[in-house]
Amino acid sequence: DVKVTQSSRYLVKRTGEKVFLECVQDMDHENMFWYRQDPGLGLRLIYFSYDVKMKEKGDIPEGYSVSREKKERFSLILESASTNQTSMYLCASRPTSNYGYTFGSGTRLTVV
Amino acid sequence: SQQGEEDPQALSIQEGENATMNCSYKTSINNLQWYRQNSGRGLVHLILIRSNEREKHSGRLRVTLDTSKKSSSLLITASRAADTASYFCATVLYNFNKFYFGSGTKLNVKP
Repeated sequence: DVKVTQSSRYLVKRTGEKVFLECVQDMDHENMFWYRQDPGLGLRLIYFSYDVKMKEKGDIPEGYSVSREKKERFSLILESASTNQTSMYLCASRPTSNYGYTFGSGTRLTVV
Repeated sequence: SQQGEEDPQALSIQEGENATMNCSYKTSINNLQWYRQNSGRGLVHLILIRSNEREKHSGRLRVTLDTSKKSSSLLITASRAADTASYFCATVLYNFNKFYFGSGTKLNVKP
């Protein structure tokens, strides 16, 4: 069964810490995405990547960076975590323009 | 915003009834997709309808698309308690790289 795996379901970090959220897919998809989901705001795109070492900013990239050194892995980095980055983070991948996303189970990050 | 916006925000029905939720959007799209999210989990892709299609079926799901009104509807027939979830529409523009999600419809199916 095809899968997108996010390394942590729940994470608690302190303000100012550098945080890494990892996402791995086993479907050989070119495109990978990071979203955050907040009540009343729906899903908002942070960054996406359409190829290894390629990245593009989404709608809310501030405070985040990404890394894609290998096709199957797309990491989201919070350079200096802040309380307003407390959220559910969802990773997704997809192969071609007309297919839907496959999502991971999400990482619920709390910054204290 | 180019987001799809779902309506209603919340819907509560009895098992066996039909559930209808709507999605409106603002710009021309390549396709529109519906997703389901069980509480605290990731989203699961349900169905995709292209801009040149008007209706699509998948099991108990029926999706319609009216590009002139920039709206779509998702009908779940003979609902079950297991259908309890949030449902999101995602609009896909012609550059394909971005999907825009709405805030979702929270469906509660009472047994």
